[in-house]
Amino acid sequence: EADIYQTPRYLVIGTGKKITLECSQTMGHDKMYWYQQDPGMELHLIHYSYGVNSTEKGDLSSESTVSRIRTEHFPLTLESARPSHTSQYLCASSEVGGNEKLFFGSGTQLSVL
Amino acid sequence: LAKTTQPISMDSYEGQEVNITCSHNNIATNDYITWYQQFPSQGPRFIIQGYKTKVTNEVASLFIPADRKSSTLSLPRVSLSDTAVYYCLVGEGYSTLTFGKGTMLLVSP
Repeated sequence: EADIYQTPRYLVIGTGKKITLECSQTMGHDKMYWYQQDPGMELHLIHYSYGVNSTEKGDLSSESTVSRIRTEHFPLTLESARPSHTSQYLCASSEVGGNEKLFFGSGTQLSVL
Repeated sequence: LAKTTQPISMDSYEGQEVNITCSHNNIATNDYITWYQQFPSQGPRFIIQGYKTKVTNEVASLFIPADRKSSTLSLPRVSLSDTAVYYCLVGEGYSTLTFGKGTMLLVSP
């Protein structure tokens, strides 16, 4: 089974707060991703990384930022949370290769009041 | 990136075989076809992957015709626990993978 962890699992926070969602993987994967998903809706790619010091924006514009200082760690930060940021955030990782397989964490359900 | 088209939803009963077809008319030569399963409030989970012909594992089978413009995920003898959303993705390792709306499979007793 894949080893990719997200914390916290649930987060309820007030408007204007700065938050960081943690994502770590122990598989040594170079590629990591953040997806955003609302209930019953499709996953939208918001950030991805090919490796250390690499970050790219995904298909869906997001006010969040990411960093990749270590291979195993890919945190996502919201400088000032708003109710529109309420969603599920899913982190994933994969090896770089022709037959890429994504391994997902359990997600962080964020609620901004 | 090759776009995919799947049925929005499917219904089945326990013990039946379920086949979910995905269309990907503009699949590229280097693209693989990968299926994921997602339960509510969880991240998607890899089910099966193939490039051509047929692939089978302990969970499912994947059928890919010679032109590779479509693929069919086959779930043998489904149970209630197979109720989930199933996503078909087409791509290769040097591009980003896009999830569509997927197919909501509802298995009834």
